[in-house]
Amino acid sequence: SQTIHQWPATLVQPVGSPLSLECTVEGTSNPNLYWYRQAAGRGLQLLFYSVGIGQISSEVPQNLSASRPQDRQFILSSKKLLLSDSGFYLCAWSVLGSGPYQETQYFGPGTRLLVL
Amino acid sequence: AQSVTQPDIHITVSEGASLELRCNYSYGATPYLFWYVQSPGQGLQLLLKYFSGDTLVQGIKGFEAEFKRSQSSFNLRKPSVHWSDAAEYFCAVGAGASKLTFGTGTRLQVTL
Repeated sequence: SQTIHQWPATLVQPVGSPLSLECTVEGTSNPNLYWYRQAAGRGLQLLFYSVGIGQISSEVPQNLSASRPQDRQFILSSKKLLLSDSGFYLCAWSVLGSGPYQETQYFGPGTRLLVL
Repeated sequence: AQSVTQPDIHITVSEGASLELRCNYSYGATPYLFWYVQSPGQGLQLLLKYFSGDTLVQGIKGFEAEFKRSQSSFNLRKPSVHWSDAAEYFCAVGAGASKLTFGTGTRLQVTL
């Protein structure tokens, strides 16, 4: 069966410090991968998605970047964190269904980031 | 662009009572619809999904949802709520490759 891991689970970082969050998926190959951010009391905002190694699409302009160095690894980074980067970061993977665009996304446990 | 509205930010029900969480979507074509549940500090777990076919969809944990095209709705229901169902529930619509739009969520509180 497929599993998705995220680490760290919790992170407290000072403003201006770098960031690296990692997400890995097991039990599937060539998944689509996603990074979402969930701010307190709000829904999920899609940050990046990837359909293959080295292929990254950015949904919103921001202080963050993403990379996919391996098929089942997705990394979220920042060179200098802002206070507004605080939130709950969720990684997800998806598989296609029987029809076009019939994807189902499955989420990891999340990383809570607090920037002070 | 597609959008999802969950009009109830917070709902409180008694254990054993029935539950209905509302979800309305906006999309020009046939949408793909999902309900996820999130316990505090956790990721999202898929409850059920609708792609096509029977408009009444059964999910895990005793949940079901009904797709009503005429009302642009995909409401989530459960006949008898358990205290462990207390969580936040998100409706989402998928429309196009890799595009999933979420509602802002409904927080469910269950009183004993």
